[in-house]
Amino acid sequence: GAVVSQHPSWVICKSGTSVKIECRSLDFQATTMFWYRQFPKQSLMLMATSNEGSKATYEQGVEKDKFLINHASLTLSTLTVTSAHPEDSSFYICSARAGTDSYNSPLHFGNGTRLTVT
Amino acid sequence: AQSVTQLDSQVPVFEEAPVELRCNYSSSVSVYLFWYVQYPNQGLQLLLKYLSGSTLVKGINGFEAEFNKSQTSFHLRKPSVHISDTAEYFCAVRKGGSQGNLIFGKGTKLSVKP
Repeated sequence: GAVVSQHPSWVICKSGTSVKIECRSLDFQATTMFWYRQFPKQSLMLMATSNEGSKATYEQGVEKDKFLINHASLTLSTLTVTSAHPEDSSFYICSARAGTDSYNSPLHFGNGTRLTVT
Repeated sequence: AQSVTQLDSQVPVFEEAPVELRCNYSSSVSVYLFWYVQYPNQGLQLLLKYLSGSTLVKGINGFEAEFNKSQTSFHLRKPSVHISDTAEYFCAVRKGGSQGNLIFGKGTKLSVKP
């Protein structure tokens, strides 16, 4: 089956530093990837949609200069949390769409990245 | 606009008992509905989905769900749960007219007790 690899699975960083999270589709090409954020005991909230070779589309309220998304190839998207603060501590999950049909193409999720900012 | 409501934030149940996790959706267009399971500190695993056809959908791990258009519901059921079913369950609707991202409910924590 289709596999999405997310790395790292957990990271601890100091306030003010930047952290990069990678999302790779291992056995399929993903023209579209989604980045979600999940606070403790809450649902997943879409942060942004990234398409290969173009700028990401951010959801309302998500700072694009703080959460930098790059989708340089059909198998890799990265999320960089810049100048991280403790309130950025969360669980970040990526999802990759296999195929171009927005309705029928399945979404495959990574295992998430637990970010803790001290 | 589409939205998903999961009425129960927590559902405790004893092992081998049946369980139903409720999900209601609102949408003015045709919907594609999903149930995902999330184990602690892990991503999401697809349990089942409804795209079209039969309203009774069977998924993995013995789960099934029934799409009820008149009641705008997509409840998840399992006739006999196991300890290993303890997890968070999310109902989701696929957002149409966009890139196909999912809108999730707030989740239901299923706790199976021995």
